[in-house]
Amino acid sequence: DQQVKQNSPSLSVQEGRISILNCDYTNSMFDYFLWYKKYPAEGPTFLISISSIKDKNEDGRFTVFLNKSAKHLSLHIVPSQPGDSAVYFCAARDNDYKLSFGAGTTVTVRA
Amino acid sequence: DGGITQSPKYLFRKEGQNVTLSCEQNLNHDAMYWYRQDPGQGLRLIYYSQIVNDFQKGDIAEGYSVSREKKESFPLTVTSAQKNPTAFYLCASSIDSQLTTNEKLFFGSGTQLSVL
Repeated sequence: DQQVKQNSPSLSVQEGRISILNCDYTNSMFDYFLWYKKYPAEGPTFLISISSIKDKNEDGRFTVFLNKSAKHLSLHIVPSQPGDSAVYFCAARDNDYKLSFGAGTTVTVRA
Repeated sequence: DGGITQSPKYLFRKEGQNVTLSCEQNLNHDAMYWYRQDPGQGLRLIYYSQIVNDFQKGDIAEGYSVSREKKESFPLTVTSAQKNPTAFYLCASSIDSQLTTNEKLFFGSGTQLSVL
């Protein structure tokens, strides 16, 4: 049973607008959350992370929000650029230090 | 250039055949991992190794085997016991297995395995 779910398999957004990617999890023991970005024919690369003791972390155009009570996190990309077109994976770390991944959301940024 | 190299990019397996996927890293990382990706699913952990000569089963280890004889290398063998091997396989490494707040996984570019 998947403990990390990305319910939107795809997202299309116009260049310059905000992209919002959502991720839900079921395991209340997850203490650290990460987002990875993957281009075709390449491995995923780390994008941004957040500890469970925080509710927001910002890095340039990327902001991750964590709502622990709702077991929900989101990634905001503002403004969206064509180079942001990729698959985005949400991941969560458990108390055994293993990561569980969501199925990914494919983002397409339209010019 | 430091990084993780997976080979081959594409691999075909015949019925009843064992195949081995290569993963090499020159990042001096202690921990290495193998993940499997199927369409519409997240990455699932097959095996991981925290240190040389030691490895543990992940969530879907059945039909797979690994070795960790050298720090740099963590090959994955897909045995004939794995009845549904067609998938995209990703190798990753990290400084250690605890993935503390300043550490993260570094991934290779993957191997697509298909059954003939």
